[in-house]
Amino acid sequence: ETGVTQSPTHLIKTRGQQVTLRCSSQSGHNTVSWYQQALGQGPQFIFQYYREEENGRGNFPPRFSGLQFPNYSSELNVNALELDDSALYLCASSVGWPSGRGYTQYFGPGTRLTVL
Amino acid sequence: DAKTTQPNSMESNEEEPVHLPCNHSTISGTDYIHWYRQLPSQGPEYVIHGLTSNVNNRMASLAIAEDRKSSTLILHRATLRDAAVYYCIGNTDKLIFGTGTRLQVFP
Repeated sequence: ETGVTQSPTHLIKTRGQQVTLRCSSQSGHNTVSWYQQALGQGPQFIFQYYREEENGRGNFPPRFSGLQFPNYSSELNVNALELDDSALYLCASSVGWPSGRGYTQYFGPGTRLTVL
Repeated sequence: DAKTTQPNSMESNEEEPVHLPCNHSTISGTDYIHWYRQLPSQGPEYVIHGLTSNVNNRMASLAIAEDRKSSTLILHRATLRDAAVYYCIGNTDKLIFGTGTRLQVFP
C-alpha cells in the first residue's frame, strides 16, 4: 500500500509568483486536506476536498485554491506569493469525512516552500 | 471548533511511562479526541483517537475523563524515537492543531 506522496520536496519562488503543489492520496482514500505549517507552529488547516468538491476551508485568502481529481489526487495553487507564504505545506488523506468522526488522516512528508 | 490546551514541553527518561495531558473543555458530545505526533522533519503521524471510552493500541493508550473535558495520552515505555511534538485535537470536520507538547526523551 502506497502512502501519501507530495511533490516537489522543496521549492523556491519569488514574491508575486504562482506555485502549484501536488499530492497523491493513499490508495482507497477519497478525502484530501491541505495544511500550512510555519516554522515552530502547528499545522493550519487550509481546505479539504471530498470526492472532488471543496467541503471546508480555513482562514486563508482566495489566492489559495485547490483541485481534486477523479483519482483523488490533489493540487494546491497559491497565486501572488507573499513572503509569509514560506512554510511547509502538508497534504493528508483519509478514507472518509468528516475527520472528527474518527476517520484517521494520513499525512505526506510535505513540500517546503520558500518565498524570496 | 473545540479549543485544546496542552503544556508546551515535557521531559522523560527512556523506558519510563509518559503521561501527556490535554484540556478540551469546549468539545462537543460527538467530536472524537485525536492525538497526532510529528517527528522532526516529517509530517504528522496518527497516534490514537477515542470518543468516550479509554482506548489502547500498539503505540499508546488514551484515557478520557468521564466529563470528556480532558484526556491523557499515555506512552507506556518512552523510547528515544518517541521524541516529537504531540498534538491533541478535538473537533468535527477538520483537524485544528494547536502548538502541541514537545516531548524530550533522555537516555
